[in-house]
Amino acid sequence: EAQVTQNPRYLITVTGKKLTVTCSQNMNHEYMSWYRQDPGLGLRQIYYSMNVEVTDKGDVPEGYKVSRKEKRNFPLILESPSPNQTSLYFCASSVVGERYNEQFFGPGTRLTVL
Amino acid sequence: RKEVEQDPGPFNVPEGATVAFNCTYSNSASQSFFWYRQDCRKEPKLLMSVYSSGNEDGRFTAQLNRASQYISLLIRDSKLSDSATYLCVVKNTGGFKTIFGAGTRLFVKA
Repeated sequence: EAQVTQNPRYLITVTGKKLTVTCSQNMNHEYMSWYRQDPGLGLRQIYYSMNVEVTDKGDVPEGYKVSRKEKRNFPLILESPSPNQTSLYFCASSVVGERYNEQFFGPGTRLTVL
Repeated sequence: RKEVEQDPGPFNVPEGATVAFNCTYSNSASQSFFWYRQDCRKEPKLLMSVYSSGNEDGRFTAQLNRASQYISLLIRDSKLSDSATYLCVVKNTGGFKTIFGAGTRLFVKA
């Protein structure tokens, strides 16, 4: 089954404790992206990647890191989480090179930073 | 000003009603336009792309007005199952940076 998976689905942590949210897709997509969703603000893009070893900042990259060492994986790293990073996080992937390419989303990771 | 703005909602309509959602975008260089649907904090899913000439998919019609930088979604004969949040999505030139509107919540009641 074609899908985007994220782990963990739910995480409660404390300020300053480094964490990684994994994202993996099995559709051989070049493009992957991370978003956070907050009430009233919609989804905001954190980072995106056009291919292996190619990443770029979205609108809200502060406090986050990403890496793209393999085509299928795009982990999101919070080196020192803070309470304002409490949010619902979505990973997405798509093909590139087409104007109307659909983004496929993972199920989301609900993160709470205390 | 937000790059993509939508009606704040929520919209409460009876079954069978026609409902229209509006969206405006600020970047005139925007290249691609979409409507996504999101159910109750689940992942967004593509509802339809929005083409320059307008397009229809069953009960759903999407239109784009580049001159006014405006996108619309019309749902005819609303069903209970249409209850969801509708997200307007714009991609910039190059197609990599993606901007989502805050979404408009729709409640269809029996």
